[in-house]
Amino acid sequence: QAQLVESGGGVVQPGRSLRVSCAASGFTFNSYAMHWVRQAPGKGPEWVAVISYDGIYKSYADSVKGRFTISRVNSQNTLHLQMNSLTTEDTAKYSCARAQGLNGDVFDMWGQGTMVTVSS
Amino acid sequence: AIQLTQSPSSLSASVGDRVSITCRASQGIGSAVAWYQQKPGKVSKLLMYDASTLESGVPSRFSGSASGTDFTLTISSLQPEDFATYYCQQFNNYPLTFGGGTKVEIK
Repeated sequence: QAQLVESGGGVVQPGRSLRVSCAASGFTFNSYAMHWVRQAPGKGPEWVAVISYDGIYKSYADSVKGRFTISRVNSQNTLHLQMNSLTTEDTAKYSCARAQGLNGDVFDMWGQGTMVTVSS
Repeated sequence: AIQLTQSPSSLSASVGDRVSITCRASQGIGSAVAWYQQKPGKVSKLLMYDASTLESGVPSRFSGSASGTDFTLTISSLQPEDFATYYCQQFNNYPLTFGGGTKVEIK
């Protein structure tokens, strides 16, 4: 059964760094673009970043550009999000999502998410 | 960035009711809208894309439509498993954006 499982969340102080990861299984990971989407408590989802199937193309939301880096290791079926210079505004559940084959910016599979809390 | 305004933000309905949720875009986005269902403790689920194309496996009681910059998700006969929060999303251009959500609750 195809699934996405995130890990690496936790509590971190403002200004520090954290890396969250997403393990994919049950589908051909290297055929799909992948996204990160976050959702702050009580708020709607916010798109964070996308990476192409081969890792060459990347795009970021303005709110994280220059601080976050999306990457993937296709040989390990793993997606990463390196988050630097974290602020309290980055507190959210971070979910990875698979891009639909037809529309690369529609999310046809989601993970459960990993919670990142930025607090002193 | 394109803003999506969903209405209502919440609604109460009974099993068997017909329910409609609207999503208005701040500018033209063609039919580049998707709809998702979110339940507590569950992964989000894609319901509809291209405004009116039903995702595989989604019950036919769900339908989508578009008129200009207004997009509508309709549930023809609400079932117990449909009580959830629904979000629209535009994929016409970056940054991808979501609506504020509509929580469908049991009356």
